[in-house]
Amino acid sequence: DTEVTQTPKHLVMGMTNKKSLKCEQHMGHRAMYWYKQKAKKPPELMFVYSYEKLSINESVPSRFSPECPNSSLLNLHLHALQPEDSALYLCASSQDRQGMGNSPLHFGNGTRLTVT
Amino acid sequence: QKEVEQNSGPLSVPEGAIASLNCTYSDRGSQSFFWYRQYSGKSPELIMFIYSNGDKEDGRFTAQLNKASQYVSLLIRDSQPSDSATYLCAGGDSNYQLIWGAGTKLIIKP
Repeated sequence: DTEVTQTPKHLVMGMTNKKSLKCEQHMGHRAMYWYKQKAKKPPELMFVYSYEKLSINESVPSRFSPECPNSSLLNLHLHALQPEDSALYLCASSQDRQGMGNSPLHFGNGTRLTVT
Repeated sequence: QKEVEQNSGPLSVPEGAIASLNCTYSDRGSQSFFWYRQYSGKSPELIMFIYSNGDKEDGRFTAQLNKASQYVSLLIRDSQPSDSATYLCAGGDSNYQLIWGAGTKLIIKP
């Protein structure tokens, strides 16, 4: 069982809808991430929270809005999405910042998002 | 531009043989490397990470890092059909950037 839990597993939404993706980790990690992955492509970084503060925002459109209520929870609020935003959205956590030697990312199972 | 390159494959290996997956990187500042396995439609799963030159073994998996030549590899011994997946290589640097390769699709033939 994964130690990073994402809900929902699947989401279909219209372009005028507002929805939220949720992520929870119970590993005591201090960094949490949102990634977007299209088919046959590697994960693409969207946001990084380090010690509950937004530290990286990779020029993501404002229709995606992250929120970190506490060190274990991470949300991604979605509004007015476009069909091209359909993808697998991955939450991940790590002990410290990504890329550090002993701080690998641990991914959740992802949310498969379809925008109609 | 910092890059991590992998052969997209598919790499086809007979069951029981050794599968060798390779990755090269352009940034000499990259310090840590991570191998992830991803089954179709699923999320990436950490296989191994390495940050010192040489070999690191974990069960059937061995990661190899050669910083002078700027390559990292993953060997899978006694390959099983369940090893068939896409393997992603990622390199991390001191600026907390994680650069991903495009992934290599591995097929283990029974």
